Amino acid sequence: EAQVTQNPRYLITVTGKKLTVTCSQNMNHEYMSWYRQDPGLGLRQIYYSMNVEVTDKGDVPEGYKVSRKEKRNFPLILESPSPNQTSLYFCASSLSRQNYGYTFGSGTRLTVV
Amino acid sequence: AQSVTQPDIHITVSEGASLELRCNYSYGATPYLFWYVQSPGQGLQLLLKYFSGDTLVQGIKGFEAEFKRSQSSFNLRKPSVHWSDAAEYFCAVGASGNKLVFGAGTILRVKS
Repeated sequence: EAQVTQNPRYLITVTGKKLTVTCSQNMNHEYMSWYRQDPGLGLRQIYYSMNVEVTDKGDVPEGYKVSRKEKRNFPLILESPSPNQTSLYFCASSLSRQNYGYTFGSGTRLTVV
Repeated sequence: AQSVTQPDIHITVSEGASLELRCNYSYGATPYLFWYVQSPGQGLQLLLKYFSGDTLVQGIKGFEAEFKRSQSSFNLRKPSVHWSDAAEYFCAVGASGNKLVFGAGTILRVKS
């Protein structure tokens, strides 16, 4: 089944403790992206990647890092999480930069205390 | 900069009644427009999209949307709502760099 898999689904952590949210897609998509969803704000793009080793900032990149060493994986790294990063995170992929046919993962609900 | 406005935070309709969710966008060129649905605890599912051509777009689950350039709108409609349609709905516009710019969402409640 074609899908985007995120792990974990739920995570509670403490301020300052580094964490990684994994994202993997099995559709050979070039383009991958991370969004965060907050009430009243919709989804905002954090980072995106147009292909292996090519990443760029979205609208809200502060406090986050990403890497794209393999085409299928696009982990989101929070080096020193803070409470304002408590949010619902979505990974998404699409076939190419010109293709807006996103497939979204099921989301990761992160709570930073 | 591109932006999307969904004026209604919450909408409640009776089961079997018609539905219209509003969406207004700001974009300089011909927009790529989308509607997504998010059921509780789930990811986003694409309902329909508009790239060009016929301004009335049919989607899944009986939804349709109409692109009106003069009003910068892309409203979502369904003639008869089912209880399973209760969810949050997001309108989005495709921006440069393959980014989707989302509205704040509209929560649909369906009363029986």
